[in-house]
Amino acid sequence: QKEVEQDPGPLSVPEGAIVSLNCTYSNSAFQYFMWYRQYSRKGPELLMYTYSSGNKEDGRFTAQVDKSSKYISLFIRDSQPSDSATYLCAMEDQAGTALIFGKGTTLSVSS
Amino acid sequence: DSGVTQTPKHLITATGQRVTLRCSPRSGDLSVYWYQQSLDQGLQFLIQYYNGEERAKGNILERFSAQQFPDLHSELNLSSLELGDSALYFCASSVGGRSSGNTIYFGEGSWLTVV
Repeated sequence: QKEVEQDPGPLSVPEGAIVSLNCTYSNSAFQYFMWYRQYSRKGPELLMYTYSSGNKEDGRFTAQVDKSSKYISLFIRDSQPSDSATYLCAMEDQAGTALIFGKGTTLSVSS
Repeated sequence: DSGVTQTPKHLITATGQRVTLRCSPRSGDLSVYWYQQSLDQGLQFLIQYYNGEERAKGNILERFSAQQFPDLHSELNLSSLELGDSALYFCASSVGGRSSGNTIYFGEGSWLTVV
């Protein structure tokens, strides 16, 4: 079992839809949870950053972490065509060795 | 623009050859990370340097090596290249020595194609 599992999709939604992206993980030592967005042939850029369990909201984006279930989610409200990208979850333990990434979910938002 | 600069952007080389990828971190960042991204493996951590010293090692092959210079730029050397080494290689940087609590900024990547 890989440390971080993420459904690669692709996920296609109409403009304005609510999008839910998810990752599961196996390492209970993970404490820091991130979501990165990667446009085609570009470097990943940090979208959301959460420490331990809970929710965090930033504009149309909400990140949720459930450590008891080892499950993290990213919700995108009122999705826009410009949200079309690959979304990568990433996580790290307290030792801060390195970020472990999921393989990414490709999202396509049609107008 | 993340502020992390990688060169070259694209590289095509033959099997058995050696290449060097270069990275300049964001101004003020002391840590440099190297990642490899391929379709089947996703984004894999290779190695991290902090202020010139190796800080953490991931899934880096023995044929690969890296270093960080006094001016904080870093180079990733890939030798005895194989077809399977074809991938997008990212450099990232952060202020601190541990990625947790520090935002990591990625460069645009170097596309390596081994033929």
